[in-house]
Amino acid sequence: DVKVTQSSRYLVKRTGEKVFLECVQDMDHENMFWYRQDPGLGLRLIYFSYDVKMKEKGDIPEGYSVSREKKERFSLILESASTNQTSMYLCASSPSGTPQETQYFGPGTRLLVL
Amino acid sequence: GNSVTQMEGPVTLSEEAFLTINCTYTATGYPSLFWYVQYPGEGLQLLLKATKADDKGSNKGFEATYRKETTSFHLEKGSVQVSDSAVYFCALSLRYSGGSNYKLTFGKGTLLTVNP
Repeated sequence: DVKVTQSSRYLVKRTGEKVFLECVQDMDHENMFWYRQDPGLGLRLIYFSYDVKMKEKGDIPEGYSVSREKKERFSLILESASTNQTSMYLCASSPSGTPQETQYFGPGTRLLVL
Repeated sequence: GNSVTQMEGPVTLSEEAFLTINCTYTATGYPSLFWYVQYPGEGLQLLLKATKADDKGSNKGFEATYRKETTSFHLEKGSVQVSDSAVYFCALSLRYSGGSNYKLTFGKGTLLTVNP
């Protein structure tokens, strides 16, 4: 079974703090994704990566950056956390290639910024 | 741009009732279509998918048929159970900006609650 793990289930941070969310997958997938999930808005893509050290902006990249130094690990960074970044963050991975591929999701990190 | 519109919830049903969650899409191209499910406290997992017109995806008693002429992918189940209570997301997948990879575009999700 594919396993995608996220470093924390719940996180509380203060405004202005630098926040790191870590995601690890164990299936040698090329693609990794970060989404945020908000009530009434569904899932929105923040960033994705299709190879080590490669990254692409998604639909809402402002206020975020990412890092992918190793194939299995994809980090989301909030350079200076703000209250409007309070959300559920979901990481996903998938094999490369075709649009038919399934994405496999981690359990999510619920972030509260005070 | 690409978008997915799905039936707004919440939907509340009694056990053994028939379920339909409507999903329509707009896409520049020929997408693959998915239903993902999110059980309480968990991440999303694939429920079913279809990759070409008239394909029917099915899993755990759920079905959806890819209808190109109506740009729809409605989710149905003949008899729901309490354990089906979850949030259901419709999604489409297309190649991204002409490159070699792709991304998912999700609907806003529909919360289903099934009562005993």
